[in-house]
Amino acid sequence: GNSVTQMEGPVTLSEEAFLTINCTYTATGYPSLFWYVQYPGEGLQLLLKATKADDKGSNKGFEATYRKETTSFHLEKGSVQVSDSAVYFCALRAGSQGNLIFGKGTKLSVKP
Amino acid sequence: GAGVSQTPSNKVTEKGKYVELRCDPISGHTALYWYRQSLGQGPEFLIYFQGTGAADDSGLPNDRFFAVRPEGSVSTLKIQRTERGDSAVYLCASSPRTGRGNTEAFFGQGTRLTVV
Repeated sequence: GNSVTQMEGPVTLSEEAFLTINCTYTATGYPSLFWYVQYPGEGLQLLLKATKADDKGSNKGFEATYRKETTSFHLEKGSVQVSDSAVYFCALRAGSQGNLIFGKGTKLSVKP
Repeated sequence: GAGVSQTPSNKVTEKGKYVELRCDPISGHTALYWYRQSLGQGPEFLIYFQGTGAADDSGLPNDRFFAVRPEGSVSTLKIQRTERGDSAVYLCASSPRTGRGNTEAFFGQGTRLTVV
């Protein structure tokens, strides 16, 4: 079946550090891939997405590249800020389904 | 409002009771989803509506769970004979098209259900 595996947290970084959160997936067909973010006290928000192999999604300084050969969609940011502290969820939508399948989430804490 | 609205934000109920959770999607969105999120886990899919009909209810855990969307807008998730294991945050999301491909789903802030 379809599934998403992402690195476990929590991840604690100092401000301006480089961030990588690993995400790999298992899916039939050609899924669309997403990163959602949940800031403290808020609902899930779409951060970025990619729909086909080699697509790069980007937003707010975050990037992720759809790698079909390694079935990965790792999230990166070159210089994190305290305001990036949140829980990050990797997700996929398989081609024939409407729902999203989420990973377990990775909590990021950025210290000043 | 502009976003997905869920009520109540918090619900505490006794084991065995019946509860209803409400979701108001973004106006004009035809697709509506319910998810359940347990502590430390990602959201798990429950049911997906396209208009008034349930297009996929494969995520409902058992027949105590039921959802309706009679007019293709507001949806209600109903849980009968609640159990302590039903305690979780119930999330609702809507999207403007069928939900295939790269369509963004917009999430509400969820209803935190606690069964005591």
